Amino acid sequence: NAGVTQTPKFQVLKTGQSMTLQCAQDMNHNSMYWYRQDPGMGLRLIYYSASEGTTDKGEVPNGYNVSRLNKREFSLRLESAAPSQTSVYFCASSEGASGNTIYFGEGSWLTVV
Amino acid sequence: TQLLEQSPQFLSIQEGENLTVYCNSSSVFSSLQWYRQEPGEGPVLLVTVVTGGEVKKLKRLTFQFGDARKDSSLHITAAQPGDTGLYLCAGGPTPAGGTSYGKLTFGQGTILTVHP
Repeated sequence: NAGVTQTPKFQVLKTGQSMTLQCAQDMNHNSMYWYRQDPGMGLRLIYYSASEGTTDKGEVPNGYNVSRLNKREFSLRLESAAPSQTSVYFCASSEGASGNTIYFGEGSWLTVV
Repeated sequence: TQLLEQSPQFLSIQEGENLTVYCNSSSVFSSLQWYRQEPGEGPVLLVTVVTGGEVKKLKRLTFQFGDARKDSSLHITAAQPGDTGLYLCAGGPTPAGGTSYGKLTFGQGTILTVHP
């Protein structure tokens, strides 16, 4: 089973460029999430989607937008990348609104220069 | 904002030793989860504890949730090189329902290295 698939795995951007991180899950989960992981800070929630058609801000949403394209796909967009957005980004999904077991993708390494 | 303080940040031990990782907060969490993360991969859930005072065992790993649901610990007995990795605690909503939509608050992580 593929589980949660993220693309791209690595990306280098120049300051001010835009890009979209794609995420798809094949577990028919209702809820999907985007986290970022920085050294010494654990993972922090950027945005989440409790169910298809809904999205909401997490702890660190500034500089990001999301789209829940359908039940399978949840994309994260950086409109104008900044060096502070250099991080590892993880997409995750879970069965229901209460979370239950959350399954993470393998991560997308983003460097903004 | 809820915070989780995890300690120690780094742990380097010899095979066969025991260790404990702590996760503390001033906030009450409905559930506390422990994850293990390998380099180049996403976190993988090890256990979820939901009841104050709850103890769960997973082979050589013992997880405990504090009575007040503000702290948790992970104890590994007779550590092996295969236990090497990043261990993360995360506080979240009750798994049985609620409106928090799986929003987790993570600790900073503990990098464990077990030497043969």
